Amino acid sequence: LAKTTQPISMDSYEGQEVNITCSHNNIATNDYITWYQQFPSQGPRFIIQGYKTKVTNEVASLFIPADRKSSTLSLPRVSLSDTAVYYCLVGDAGNNRKLIWGLGTSLAVNP
Amino acid sequence: NAGVTQTPKFRILKIGQSMTLQCAQDMNHNYMYWYRQDPGMGLKLIYYSVGAGITDKGEVPNGYNVSRSTTEDFPLRLELAAPSQTSVYFCASSRVGAGANVLTFGAGSRLTVL
Repeated sequence: LAKTTQPISMDSYEGQEVNITCSHNNIATNDYITWYQQFPSQGPRFIIQGYKTKVTNEVASLFIPADRKSSTLSLPRVSLSDTAVYYCLVGDAGNNRKLIWGLGTSLAVNP
Repeated sequence: NAGVTQTPKFRILKIGQSMTLQCAQDMNHNYMYWYRQDPGMGLKLIYYSVGAGITDKGEVPNGYNVSRSTTEDFPLRLELAAPSQTSVYFCASSRVGAGANVLTFGAGSRLTVL
């Protein structure tokens, strides 16, 4: 199982770009990298998923280097509403029941 | 679409009581999951199902049971509630294939056992 390591907490200010890096040194060939966002008292919400290189959607970008041993979630111009916990998960789509949810990164966006 | 609907949102149980947490999804997803999340922690998988009639244990199944008689519904049964089962419970679903890691979660059910 691919274990992930990410910072426990980060602080930022409104309007800044935030980059959260996740380490997954033992990622397997079939594993995808998926990021979720969770607000207090809510279920996690899918943000973005990638396999290699760069993926961008309307809310974030995901950068994955060639060796795939890490990934970086980039949130452009954060606002107060981006204050949340962000989880990085790595897993094989065929065995996603084995996804391991760590503590995530608690992002605090300050005015 | 409603997505994943969980009921009830809140419940207080006495030790030894039993109850069922309901979960329904309208996205025709094959995979469904039950997680629990304790304060300040990540999610732990209780049970999952890959389709109607098929269920299997996750990381923390003791004290719980599930059934999956239809694609849409995946109820979680708590038998003989204990204080250690005080937690927030999340139901989720996903489709097969490359999208299987993209889980859609319900709003959660907060359970307190006193």
